[in-house]
Parts: sequence; C-alpha cells; structure tokens
Amino acid sequence: QQQVKQSPQSLIVQKGGISIINCAYENTAFDYFPWYQQFPGKGPALLIAIRPDVSEKKEGRFTISFNKSAKQFSLHIMDSQPGDSATYFCAAEGGSQGNLIFGKGTKLSVKP
Amino acid sequence: EAGVVQSPRYKIIEKKQPVAFWCNPISGHNTLYWYLQNLGQGPELLIRYENEEAVDDSQLPKDRFSAERLKGVDSTLKIQPAELGDSAVYLCASSLGQATDTQYFGPGTRLTVL
Repeated sequence: QQQVKQSPQSLIVQKGGISIINCAYENTAFDYFPWYQQFPGKGPALLIAIRPDVSEKKEGRFTISFNKSAKQFSLHIMDSQPGDSATYFCAAEGGSQGNLIFGKGTKLSVKP
Repeated sequence: EAGVVQSPRYKIIEKKQPVAFWCNPISGHNTLYWYLQNLGQGPELLIRYENEEAVDDSQLPKDRFSAERLKGVDSTLKIQPAELGDSAVYLCASSLGQATDTQYFGPGTRLTVL
C-alpha cells in the first residue's frame, strides 16, 4: 500500500513559470513532511520541510502548502529556472515506524 | 565538512555473485540508513542503525542481504547471491539521531546484475 502518493510523474515548465508538485498521504500519524531534490548521479538532498502545525512554509523561491484536513501537501517553485531541473520527492515521517516514506518522484524540466 | 561517502560508485556483476557496498557517514551522525532506489522510484528503506544496533531491518530481504555497522561508524551492505532484480541504486544516508533530523544522502552505488 503506497502511503505517499505523488503527482505528476513528470512536469515541463517554462523558465520563469511556477512549478507545482502535489502529494497526498494516508497515515494521520505522519508529522513531518520534507521535500527532497535529486540531480542525476547524486543522492537526494533536503530542500524544505514542514510540520502539520503550519499551513505554509516559504524558503526563497520554494513554498510548501499543507492541508491537514485533506491530507495533502504541495511544493511550489516560483520563477522556475533551468537549474531547478531535477527529480523532486515528497516524503512523510512519523507514527510507529519513525522512518521516511518517499513518494515516487516528479521529474521537473525547466525549459529556457 | 565531508558528506556521506559511498564506494564503489558503480558495480557490474554476474548473477549469483556476491557484492558489497561501503558507507562512511558524516562524522558524529549516530543514525545510518541504507535505502534501495529503483529506476524512476523513490528511495525505500532497507535498514536503519542507531549506533551499532539495527533498530529497523523489517524491509531487508534477509535470505540474501546482510548489513553490519561495526563500531557504530562505517557500514557495509552485502548481497549474496545477487539476482537480476537487485539491479538498482543503493543509497546510504546518515543523521544526528533525533526524530525528524535531516537525513543526508550519499551519491549511491549503482549496481548492475547481468
């Protein structure tokens, strides 16, 4: 059973546009929701994270929006740049497992 | 500060052969993770160590996979014998050890089983 569902699988955005990636989770015990960025040949790296006590967190061009009642959260990349082209993974942690559960990833391509 | 170091970066082996991956975590990080990442998928946890103790190995296929973290620092993940379906990237990550501490990933070892 997939505990974290991520969409879309791939995304193409023009330079300067807004990239939006969505995730939904099932386990209400999750209490930590990070986003990781992965470039080819590299390991994932933490981009930004949120806890369910806030509805939004912004760091530079990256914003997480969190909807606890809908069990959904999303990543918004403002003014997308070609250097943002990478695979993005949402994840969730908490509950009895205490381990990160990753979504399947979104491959973002930002066209010049 | 050095990041998580993994070796080798790439490994090609014939099926039924053994293979081992090595990980050196960030200095001072008590928690070490091994993940499996299949092509086009997110990382999946194989095993988590708190110092020398494997506190979660529920997803580790114990018939062919084994891991150790002697002295609570470096770790080795072994597959014996390897199968075609084991072709994937094996990622190592480490964190300070508190719940929801940031996990820092190494570059991974890409395994190809022929």
